[in-house]
Amino acid sequence: EIVLTQSPATLSLSPGERATLSCRASQSVSSYLAWYQQKPGQAPRLLIYDASNRATGIPARFSGSGSGTDFTLTISSLEPEDFAVYYCQQRSNWPLITFGQGTRLEIK
Amino acid sequence: QVQLVESGGGVVQPGGSLRLSCAASGFTFSSYGMHWVRQAPGKGLEWVAFIRYDGSNKYYADSVKGRFTISRDNSKNTLYLQMNSLRAEDTAVYYCAKDDPGGDYWGQGTLVTVSS
Repeated sequence: EIVLTQSPATLSLSPGERATLSCRASQSVSSYLAWYQQKPGQAPRLLIYDASNRATGIPARFSGSGSGTDFTLTISSLEPEDFAVYYCQQRSNWPLITFGQGTRLEIK
Repeated sequence: QVQLVESGGGVVQPGGSLRLSCAASGFTFSSYGMHWVRQAPGKGLEWVAFIRYDGSNKYYADSVKGRFTISRDNSKNTLYLQMNSLRAEDTAVYYCAKDDPGGDYWGQGTLVTVSS
């Protein structure tokens, strides 16, 4: 099983600041990595797929990078609606997909 | 537009059974594989099961293997999850999701609570 480890567990920032979230895979997942945002009571929302491609309708302030085992989600300038929990997901071992444990982005 | 609507959740005693359904619309259901993903209260996302577009192959997480069965009825555009021998740790919101790497298609989820 491919294990995804996200860091930090919690990130405290202010609106307008830059957020950098990390996801590390226990073995290479090539570029088969996605990022999701989840708000309380809602289903996850796809932000980035295949490491760096923004999903439909996702603002340009969200960007993804990385390949192999190390990946980053960057939010260039935080908006109030960006405070949520973020998950990475790999599909290298499709259909046995796995998720990271999540990073909580909270308002400082 | 793509819609996935789960149903069938509820409260069940440990050792009991429940069948979840996911009604799909807005796309050619018979052309896509489908996943079940769950989320325990206050916890992260856990993949549960996958079924190929034609039902020919099924895959399960180790945590549910032998207890849960995924199936589909392409004539009814519906995905199912039969859950037997339920345990307290199966308590979660269960989501169905379309297998579409660049697409974002999840249902709203249905809550399963296993408790005596």
